[in-house]
Amino acid sequence: GAVVSQHPSWVICKSGTSVKIECRSLDFQATTMFWYRQFPKQSLMLMATSNEGSKATYEQGVEKDKFLINHASLTLSTLTVTSAHPEDSSFYICSARGLLEGSSYEQYFGPGTRLTVT
Amino acid sequence: AQKVTQAQTEISVVEKEDVTLDCVYETRDTTYYLFWYKQPPSGELVFLIRRNSFDEQNEISGRYSWNFQKSTSSFNFTITASQVVDSAVYFCALSGSNYGGSQGNLIFGKGTKLSVKP
Repeated sequence: GAVVSQHPSWVICKSGTSVKIECRSLDFQATTMFWYRQFPKQSLMLMATSNEGSKATYEQGVEKDKFLINHASLTLSTLTVTSAHPEDSSFYICSARGLLEGSSYEQYFGPGTRLTVT
Repeated sequence: AQKVTQAQTEISVVEKEDVTLDCVYETRDTTYYLFWYKQPPSGELVFLIRRNSFDEQNEISGRYSWNFQKSTSSFNFTITASQVVDSAVYFCALSGSNYGGSQGNLIFGKGTKLSVKP
């Protein structure tokens, strides 16, 4: 079945540094990827939508200069948290939208990346 | 606007009890999709079911069953004979008519934490 991977699965970084999170679709081409954020004991909230080859669309309240999204290929999207602060500590989950042969468009979630900023 | 309400924040049951998780949704779309996901402590979302708005048939999968009622905008999830391994946070989610498109992100409820005690 379709698999979406995220790397790293967890990361600890110091305040002020930048962290890059990768989201890969392993056996299908993902024209669209969605980035969600989940704070402890809360729900998933959409941060941004990225389409291959174009600029990401950010949800209201999400700083595009702080959360840089690049979707350079049909199988890879990256989220870079720049100048991270402790309040950015969260669980970041991507989902990839793709068309499997003989099927319809579906979305598949990655396993998530737990970011802790100290 | 689209919205998903899971009024039950936490539920605790004893093993072998049946438990129903409630989900109420709001949307103006005539075509929409409803989902249930399980999130164990590891954080990875486990897909359970997707149902489109034109299919009101109830679904049963092993110990899991789902009751979709458009008249009350509800999509409830029942676990029969619960087991300790069912302990997790369960999310109900909604996507509109553009689910297959580049704006087809999911709107999540706040989740219900289910604890099944031996």
